[in-house]
Amino acid sequence: GQQLNQSPQSMFIQEGEDVSMNCTSSSIFNTWLWYKQDPGEGPVLLIALYKAGELTSNGRLTAQFGITRKDSFLNISASIPSDVGIYFCAGLANFGNEKLTFGTGTRLTIIP
Amino acid sequence: GAGVSQSPRYKVAKRGQDVALRCDPISGHVSLFWYQQALGQGPEFLTYFQNEAQLDKSGLPSDRFFAERPEGSVSTLKIQRTQQEDSAVYLCASSSYRNTEAFFGQGTRLTVV
Repeated sequence: GQQLNQSPQSMFIQEGEDVSMNCTSSSIFNTWLWYKQDPGEGPVLLIALYKAGELTSNGRLTAQFGITRKDSFLNISASIPSDVGIYFCAGLANFGNEKLTFGTGTRLTIIP
Repeated sequence: GAGVSQSPRYKVAKRGQDVALRCDPISGHVSLFWYQQALGQGPEFLTYFQNEAQLDKSGLPSDRFFAERPEGSVSTLKIQRTQQEDSAVYLCASSSYRNTEAFFGQGTRLTVV
């Protein structure tokens, strides 16, 4: 099935660094979501974006809904060890169509 | 419990065996979703229920896959005659209204040998 393209695929950073990742699609989405998944767990919702151009923050996390409706970005500032995990974007195409399309994931590793 | 509960957490099946995976959603949640997550991939949509009605089953990969939610609460995903390519983590999620507020369970890891 279709999956959104996420980049980078993996990141190796030092604690305290800022992180940026993005997600692109060939088609338009009306809602963009960012999830974090830890090993052996289900995805946990971090941020939801409902409007093109919207910029939303959740603590050290900031996400933006691209104006073309075909992309979204997630930034993490001042990374800490518990930020380690896999980050997924997900898009919802149409209201009333509840099928989420997920990205391929960005694996974040913090180097001691 | 407070969250979405899935059982079993792990299942090993011999090829050709039938399996049933259970999902207990958050109490009162109307919507329930099943996703399949292959190793190293993002979750892929399988099917969606609103109460007991299955509104979208377009993601089910074959007619060997069947899902039900007869009383609008607990749901079961059944896979008949399992194949090796069915090996994956099966995630269940529930929400009170829209998918954007869905909470995921820990998943069931199915390994077909």
